[in-house]
Amino acid sequence: DAKTTQPNSMESNEEEPVHLPCNHSTISGTDYIHWYRQLPSQGPEYVIHGLTSNVNNRMASLAIAEDRKSSTLILHRATLRDAAVYYCILIRRSSNTGKLIFGQGTTLQVKP
Amino acid sequence: GAGVSQTPSNKVTEKGKYVELRCDPISGHTALYWYRQSLGQGPEFLIYFQGTGAADDSGLPNDRFFAVRPEGSVSTLKIQRTERGDSAVYLCASSLDGRDNNEQFFGPGTRLTVL
Repeated sequence: DAKTTQPNSMESNEEEPVHLPCNHSTISGTDYIHWYRQLPSQGPEYVIHGLTSNVNNRMASLAIAEDRKSSTLILHRATLRDAAVYYCILIRRSSNTGKLIFGQGTTLQVKP
Repeated sequence: GAGVSQTPSNKVTEKGKYVELRCDPISGHTALYWYRQSLGQGPEFLIYFQGTGAADDSGLPNDRFFAVRPEGSVSTLKIQRTERGDSAVYLCASSLDGRDNNEQFFGPGTRLTVL
């Protein structure tokens, strides 16, 4: 399975945009890029996913590099509630399980 | 609607004992997953059910771990002869049908402590 690399931690100020990077240089053409986040003492929750094109939803935006070797999760205005561990995960298209392989993730701190 | 629920929320047991952890997935979700999360680590996949059958149990660490889902809804993770290294948060997730892009919904987890 292709591996992802994320910074261990990042800091942001409240109400400012946050860009969380993810490197996946060995991504294959059939791998989807998924992001989940885990708030303290909770189970992970889905944030967004994409394949080639940039994606937007109510929670965040996902910017995917043209060569797909990296992607960036964008929180447009960070709130204190966005403090969490963010995981970038690759899932093979037509995977027969959809299982998630989590790395260490990026711990995001949001300062008031 | 109701999300994924897990019981108990906390379980303390002694080394060598048997434990059962329960997961109630979202109604109608055919795919169910178990993960284990040690302190400071990301969740680690254990087993995946599609309906009643275990479609992928490649993450179960050894034969002390077993899971069932007899009616395709509730699942139970069973751990025999618990060891201190089994202490972790056990997470359950469900998705509509297990396809690669279906969002997984996680429960709050069961914190297992083996003394």
